[in-house]
Amino acid sequence: KQEVTQIPAALSVPEGENLVLNCSFTDSAIYNLQWFRQDPGKGLTSLLLIQSSQREQTSGRLNASLDKSSGRSTLYIAASQPGDSATYLCAVRRGSARQLTFGSGTQLTVLP
Amino acid sequence: GAGVSQSPSNKVTEKGKDVELRCDPISGHTALYWYRQSLGQGLEFLIYFQGNSAPDKSGLPSDRFSAERTGGSVSTLTIQRTQQEDSAVYLCASSLDGAGGFYGYTFGSGTRLTVV
Repeated sequence: KQEVTQIPAALSVPEGENLVLNCSFTDSAIYNLQWFRQDPGKGLTSLLLIQSSQREQTSGRLNASLDKSSGRSTLYIAASQPGDSATYLCAVRRGSARQLTFGSGTQLTVLP
Repeated sequence: GAGVSQSPSNKVTEKGKDVELRCDPISGHTALYWYRQSLGQGLEFLIYFQGNSAPDKSGLPSDRFSAERTGGSVSTLTIQRTQQEDSAVYLCASSLDGAGGFYGYTFGSGTRLTVV
């Protein structure tokens, strides 16, 4: 059974800092991994999708990496802003499964 | 539409009543998923629809839960005889699955269900 863990559960940083969120998964036979952001009381917004054959994906100030063999992904946020405050979720998809397995999320607060 | 649309956005119901939650996926997306997010919990898979195939109902927590997808588009999640533990945010997502590969999900804003 696939298990996804996100560390830390919560993180508070001053504005302007670069930061890294971690995601680990137990079964390396994944098809892809997706990072989402969830604002309070809202649905999930997709940030980055990394296919199993890829090592990283970038979008603006965000960079996600994937190391399938070690079962790890990181989300790097450069020059953080208060508007980045949200819960960040990673989710993996096994090759044979259709549904995603989600981590519990990292609640990020960027202080002005 | 441009995104996944869910209605209602909020629903308060009395214990024992039935509720229907609606999801309108992105046009052309063949796959549709329902998830549940309870307070302090992660996202829990409920059910998956892919084209005209039989749905994967393996995540439904009890036989009080059912879902259908009409015409390969709009989906309705029905909860019968609601219980307080059904209170959660119900999220719908759609994907281009089946179009030659696995794609990312696009989620709706969810329906917040409160059973009193």
